[in-house]
Amino acid sequence: EAGVAQSPRYKIIEKRQSVAFWCNPISGHATLYWYQQILGQGPKLLIQFQNNGVVDDSQLPKDRFSAERLKGVDSTLKIQPAKLEDSAVYLCASSSTSLGGVAEAFFGQGTRLTVV
Amino acid sequence: GNSVTQMEGPVTLSEEAFLTINCTYTATGYPSLFWYVQYPGEGLQLLLKATKADDKGSNKGFEATYRKETTSFHLEKGSVQVSDSAVYFCALSGVSNAGKSTFGDGTTLTVKP
Repeated sequence: EAGVAQSPRYKIIEKRQSVAFWCNPISGHATLYWYQQILGQGPKLLIQFQNNGVVDDSQLPKDRFSAERLKGVDSTLKIQPAKLEDSAVYLCASSSTSLGGVAEAFFGQGTRLTVV
Repeated sequence: GNSVTQMEGPVTLSEEAFLTINCTYTATGYPSLFWYVQYPGEGLQLLLKATKADDKGSNKGFEATYRKETTSFHLEKGSVQVSDSAVYFCALSGVSNAGKSTFGDGTTLTVKP
């Protein structure tokens, strides 16, 4: 079974530039998550999709971050314009819909963003 | 809101030593609890989980017991190996929504031969 794919693995940009990350979840997984992991901290949820609809984006800085999941499969996360404090690893995860059970989340390797 | 507190690292042990990484949580209701591991250069992987009080999760020699009375989920291993060197994250989530998790800040474990 193929895992969660993310690209690029690394990105360096200057502040005020824009950047986009791509995620391809495990086939058949209805739920997709984007997390931000700042160095030395645990991942923090940015946005959660169920199929192509947003379930929770309460922690997404909507003035500069946007995300979409067209057709309920792949997803892109965009930052425009980037700030120095956006330097972090951006993790994508997916899970299958679970009825009353615990659906394990599978994580991609992440995209390490450095804003200079 | 939900929160997870892990013992601060880094932790350095000799091979075959006993490992404990403490984790306590604050949550409403009855969350599920997880330990994730992140090996160097790799993504997060689920190590073990427990979904209700007194459950014991186990995998690869690691164990953790869901203690509701102390709101804890400490990770233990009787004899660590060099290959266990990684960052360990404790996390919680509501039932049936494991992906939407609240994570601790991670504990870096280094095992020396």
